[in-house]
Parts: sequence; structure tokens; C-alpha cells
Amino acid sequence: DAKTTQPNSMESNEEEPVHLPCNHSTISGTDYIHWYRQLPSQGPEYVIHGLTSNVNNRMASLAIAEDRKSSTLILHRATLRDAAVYYCILRDVIGGSNYKLTFGKGTLLTVNP
Amino acid sequence: GAVVSQHPSWVICKSGTSVKIECRSLDFQATTMFWYRQFPKQSLMLMATSNEGSKATYEQGVEKDKFLINHASLTLSTLTVTSAHPEDSSFYICSAREPGPSETQYFGPGTRLLVL
Repeated sequence: DAKTTQPNSMESNEEEPVHLPCNHSTISGTDYIHWYRQLPSQGPEYVIHGLTSNVNNRMASLAIAEDRKSSTLILHRATLRDAAVYYCILRDVIGGSNYKLTFGKGTLLTVNP
Repeated sequence: GAVVSQHPSWVICKSGTSVKIECRSLDFQATTMFWYRQFPKQSLMLMATSNEGSKATYEQGVEKDKFLINHASLTLSTLTVTSAHPEDSSFYICSAREPGPSETQYFGPGTRLLVL
């Protein structure tokens, strides 16, 4: 299975942009890049996903390198509510359209007021 | 995004009893649901993939007779922890895969189980 590498932790200040990196050098051509985040004592929350092109939604932007071996999740203006563990995950395909997500350790983002 | 609920949100039980946790997709039909377990300060570990109308697929090392999974409808999957022991105390989280091109997974809020 293709794996991802993320920094263990990052720190940001409130209302500043945050760039969360993820390396996935063994990504295959059909792997989607998914980002989830988990607040304390809650289930993970979907943030964004992409394949080749950069993606934007109301929560964040996803910048994907041209060779797809790395990506960056961008929070444009961090708030205290963005403090969470952020997971970068490659979608594993098993048997047709079914797939499973394998969670790594993620990046613990701390947002300072 | 889509909503997935879990019930109960927390449960305390005596050792040896069985506990059932429900996972529901509230606004979409999910042919596939997933059950995860998370111990303190660790990441989520996939336990099994639950397929509507068929047997669940368990990850290596997960006892299928201890963690019974039933996915009887397109909106409901249940996980029963049979003969629970203190080492089964954990945070159990389900997710449901939304059908369509994105196939995004949406997660429930989790169920905290404490076995005394």
C-alpha cells in the first residue's frame, strides 16, 4: 500500500494561513489523495480530496505537485476551531469500487490565539 | 457533507457482557460501512468492512467471533462486542461510504466503551 509521510506537529497563529505538507512518493496513478481531520474525542471529518488538479472547497485548498509525489493542504485563515490532527491518506482500492482508508499518525495542528 | 450517526455515544459495562453499537447514514444509502477502533493517543485502526447483505471483511488480527458486524440495511450497520473485557475499552468509530464519483467516507461521532 502506498504510504504518506507527514510532520508530527505544526503550529500556527490565528487568522494566518497554514500549509500542511504530505509526502507520498510511492503513489500510484489511480490513488486519490484524501485529507481528513479529527478534533479531540470526535470522529474524523472529511476535508478535501483530489487526484491530479488542485482543489478548492469551503474548508480548504489542496495543492498537488505535478509529479503527485507530494501535496499540501492549505487553510487560508486558521481559527482556534481548526486545531486538530490532520490526516493525509491515499485511497486503497480493494475489489472493484470498494475501498478502505488507512490512517497514519497525522499532523497535530496547534493554533495560537 | 453527509451525516453519519452512532448510538450510544458512550457506554460503561461489566466484564463479560455484550455491547451493541449502531451506525446509521442519515441522508444517503451506504452499501459499504467501516468500523474503526482508536486507543488513546493512537491513530484509527480499521477493524472491518461491512457490506450490506453480505458478510463483513475483517482486518488481520481482528476476531470475527468477538466483534460481530451486521449490515442488514443500506442505512444501518451494527457492531456487537461480545463478552467484553477491559482490554476492549476503546473509542469505536464507524464510517459510511457515499456512493457516487467521489466515494467520500463520512464518519460518525464515535462511541466510547469502558469495560469494568
